[in-house]
Amino acid sequence: QQQVKQSPQSLIVQKGGISIINCAYENTAFDYFPWYQQFPGKGPALLIAIRPDVSEKKEGRFTISFNKSAKQFSLHIMDSQPGDSATYFCAVPTDSWGKLQFGAGTQVVVTP
Amino acid sequence: NAGVTQTPKFRILKIGQSMTLQCAQDMNHNYMYWYRQDPGMGLKLIYYSVGAGITDKGEVPNGYNVSRSTTEDFPLRLELAAPSQTSVYFCASSYGGRKREGQSGANVLTFGAGSRLTVL
Repeated sequence: QQQVKQSPQSLIVQKGGISIINCAYENTAFDYFPWYQQFPGKGPALLIAIRPDVSEKKEGRFTISFNKSAKQFSLHIMDSQPGDSATYFCAVPTDSWGKLQFGAGTQVVVTP
Repeated sequence: NAGVTQTPKFRILKIGQSMTLQCAQDMNHNYMYWYRQDPGMGLKLIYYSVGAGITDKGEVPNGYNVSRSTTEDFPLRLELAAPSQTSVYFCASSYGGRKREGQSGANVLTFGAGSRLTVL
């Protein structure tokens, strides 16, 4: 079973700041790398995903950067807002059918 | 659409008791999954199913059983509850399927709201 290492475990950022979460994996040969967002008391929901043949994908204030050779990808939250306070999980596909292995999660708190 | 519905939302069990967590989806998804979430440990896959009548173990299957008699339902059974099974359980579903070359789109998992189980 491969390891998916996510860091940091938690972070506090001021409103308007940048949040950066990193994820490293050992092996995968499959097609996309997602980030999921989870609010307290809710199930995780897909936030953004990137295919390994591109190095960056941006959706609004959220950007994924992907470094295939280093087996790392990161989530950047620009202009962080209090509504972004949540737990974020990276995930790595473990087979071609799309089964995912999740990182341990990062709790992000955005202060006003 | 209701999406993925889990019941119950909360349950307290005594050691050795049995129970079933229910999960139903109305999106005609092929794949269904059960994860458990423990603080600081992320989501661990317990069991998954690629279609009715087909199930397989995930990372942490011990102490659990599943069945998939229909596309819509994927119940998780705890036979002899132990304190180590205290957790939040999430059911998820996705379209799944082997990707063809050049096929775009992520295999998006839709999660239920979770079932919080405490074993005392």
